[in-house]
Amino acid sequence: ILNVEQSPQSLHVQEGDSTNFTCSFPSSNFYALHWYRWETAKSPEALFVMTLNGDEKKKGRISATLNTKEGYSYLYIKGSQPEDSATYLCAPKGYGGSQGNLIFGKGTKLSVKP
Amino acid sequence: SQTIHQWPATLVQPVGSPLSLECTVEGTSNPNLYWYRQAAGRGLQLLFYSVGIGQISSEVPQNLSASRPQDRQFILSSKKLLLSDSGFYLCAYTGTAYTEAFFGQGTRLTVV
Repeated sequence: ILNVEQSPQSLHVQEGDSTNFTCSFPSSNFYALHWYRWETAKSPEALFVMTLNGDEKKKGRISATLNTKEGYSYLYIKGSQPEDSATYLCAPKGYGGSQGNLIFGKGTKLSVKP
Repeated sequence: SQTIHQWPATLVQPVGSPLSLECTVEGTSNPNLYWYRQAAGRGLQLLFYSVGIGQISSEVPQNLSASRPQDRQFILSSKKLLLSDSGFYLCAYTGTAYTEAFFGQGTRLTVV
């Protein structure tokens, strides 16, 4: 069973702070690495899908990088805002060559104080 | 456009009763379909996924089962619910191995 580790578990920052989270996985044998944002009382929404070693994606103040050789991905938020408060999930897609599976880490819960 | 429907939104069921949660997708064909559960204080756990009609993969042994009777329909069932089955259940789909997942609105199940 794939074990996807995310750290830290939770993070409390002040508005305007920049922050980053880590997603680590034991193998690069998967099709893509996904990042999602999950707000309370809502469904998860996709942020990024990355496939290649060295991939970098950006959406507004949020960006992500992927290192498949060493087995990790970073998510960065520049100038955090209260509306960034959510749980951020990562998930390798198609681990072990099984195209279908999408296994999530436990997430990093971000709280941004105004 | 693509949409995903999941129902019911909330459900309170007694221990030992059966369960049926339904999920349907519109606007895409041959999607990968998923059932996840978030138990209290836990992460999002993959229960089942399906890459095609009649093809179901189970990630976690439990008293739940899943079926895919049609291309865009995914059903989560149980013959007898346990207290530990309580949680928030999410259905999701992806188009290909390289596209993001879209989630339903979720079902809050409380087994009493």
